Order: sequence, then structure tokens, then C-alpha cells
Amino acid sequence: AQRVTQPEKLLSVFKGAPVELKCNYSYSGSPELFWYVQYSRQRLQLLLRHISRESIKGFTADLNKGETSFHLKKPFAQEEDSAMYYCALAVYNQGGKLIFGQGTELSVKP
Amino acid sequence: KAGVTQTPRYLIKTRGQQVTLSCSPISGHRSVSWYQQTPGQGLQFLFEYFSETQRNKGNFPGRFSGRQFSNSRSEMNVSTLELGDSALYLCASSLGARLNTEAFFGQGTRLTVV
Repeated sequence: AQRVTQPEKLLSVFKGAPVELKCNYSYSGSPELFWYVQYSRQRLQLLLRHISRESIKGFTADLNKGETSFHLKKPFAQEEDSAMYYCALAVYNQGGKLIFGQGTELSVKP
Repeated sequence: KAGVTQTPRYLIKTRGQQVTLSCSPISGHRSVSWYQQTPGQGLQFLFEYFSETQRNKGNFPGRFSGRQFSNSRSEMNVSTLELGDSALYLCASSLGARLNTEAFFGQGTRLTVV
């Protein structure tokens, strides 16, 4: 079965603290994974994708195929990082679709 | 470059009615996908269109249908509305056939069924 699990509904940290948002996936093929972010009153937008191996706004995510994980990390959280974060898996069967996790709300307190 | 535009932004319908939602993708994007977002189920895939062809369909009843026009604009239709259809419906467009190109989302249409 194809599934994405984000175990934490809410993660609350203080400004300057490290952040790790967990994502685990279940997929028999070669995974393509993404993190999407939704700031308050804004549309869902791509934060990063594993194939790019990039760092956006200080966030990084490493694909660990052995642990089937794609955790999102940032060494020092900022208040403006407060948002909903969704981990997503791209699945292809003729066409393509994104399978989303339930999302983690990150709250960064001053 | 204009983003993905969804109309209308808000809709209130009565049980049993039908509704049509519209999505205009970013210019040049040929792939359009639809998702339903609810507090209980989260984001769930509805369908995906590429060059006017439905290539993929999610696990939704036949009351949910869609189409894509030659200019890549897409519509989705829900017939015989049920209370459980109340949700935020999101449209996403992407440039290529594969999703490793970025999917750009619209702001959604908030459908309330009463």
C-alpha cells in the first residue's frame, strides 16, 4: 500500500531551537518525495523535493530508504516558520498523483 | 506569471444539487490535478488530467467527475451533493507529465453543502 505518515499533528518549539518534522512512507517503487508548506491564509506551496537535494529557508530533508523516512530538519527555527507542513509521495500509474501525509502544524514561539 | 486560479472561491449548495468548479492552470502547464481537503481525511487525490486526457483517478464515487479543455483549463463536477462533500477543493498544475516538476496549487474552492 502507498502511504505517507506524519506522526505529529502539532509540533511546538521555541525560536532558535532545532526542528525535525517526521515523515515515513510506504511504497514499493522508487520514491519521489516532497515537502509542501502552507502558511496562514496562503496557498499550498512546494518547500523542497528530495531529487533536488537543496536547502530552502534553512530546511533540509534527506531520503533514508532503509528507514523509509524523509524527515524535514532545520537547525534554528524562526517565528516565520510557523505553518502547516505536508510530506507528499509521488506515485505513477499511467498518470501521476501526490499522496499526502496528514500534516504537521509547526508553531514557533518567541 | 499568473498563478493557478480557481473559481469560485466559496460556494454554498444544498444536498442533492450539483456543482461545477473551475481551475485555470499556469500558462504553459499541461497537467492539472484535483485534490479534496477535509479536516478528517486530509488531502486526497481526485483526478489528474494531461492534454485533455484523464490519466489517473482517485478513490471517489462516480458522482465526482472532471474534464480538461484544449487550453488546459479544467473543471470538476460533483452531482447529487452530500453533506460529506463539504471540503476545500484544490487544483494543482505542473509543467510536465511527471510530478518531479513542481506542482503549483490554487487557493481552492471552499464548498459547503447544507
